[in-house]
Amino acid sequence: KQEVTQIPAALSVPEGENLVLNCSFTDSAIYNLQWFRQDPGKGLTSLLLIQSSQREQTSGRLNASLDKSSGRSTLYIAASQPGDSATYLCAVKGNQGGKLIFGQGTELSVKP
Amino acid sequence: DTAVSQTPKYLVTQMGNDKSIKCEQNLGHDTMYWYKQDSKKFLKIMFSYNNKELIINETVPNRFSPKSPDKAHLNLHINSLELGDSAVYFCASSRSERGLAEEQFFGPGTRLTVL
Repeated sequence: KQEVTQIPAALSVPEGENLVLNCSFTDSAIYNLQWFRQDPGKGLTSLLLIQSSQREQTSGRLNASLDKSSGRSTLYIAASQPGDSATYLCAVKGNQGGKLIFGQGTELSVKP
Repeated sequence: DTAVSQTPKYLVTQMGNDKSIKCEQNLGHDTMYWYKQDSKKFLKIMFSYNNKELIINETVPNRFSPKSPDKAHLNLHINSLELGDSAVYFCASSRSERGLAEEQFFGPGTRLTVL
């Protein structure tokens, strides 16, 4: 049974710092991994999608990596800003009908 | 706007009532999903439909019945609401479940509170 874990559960950093969020999964047989952002009381915004054959994806200040064999992904945020404050969720898609299995998220706070 | 939309955004109701949440996507996707986010913010799949056909039913109580009148809509009807049903319900869609590597897009969520 696939399990997804995110560490840390919460993170507070000063503005301008580079930071890394971690995601690990127990079953390496995945089709893709998706990173989402969730603002308080809002829906999920898809940030990056990494296919199982890819090693990383970049979008602006965000870079996500995937090491399928070790069951790990990282989300790197460069030059963090207060507007980056949100909960970041990672989710993996396995071979069970397309459902996403989510981690419990990392709550990020970037202080001005 | 191209998006996944849900109504209502908030739903407050008494225990024992029956309620429905509607979801529509205008992305031309074939597959739609319902997820539940509990009070600890944990998101879990409930159902998935591909082209109006049920493909995932994640051992959700029978009180929950999804209905897909067409591939752009997936509604969630809940009978005999219980306190434990209080959560945020998210609808999502993807181009096709058959293309298993497809990205999923989420609606804004419906916050259900059962009193």
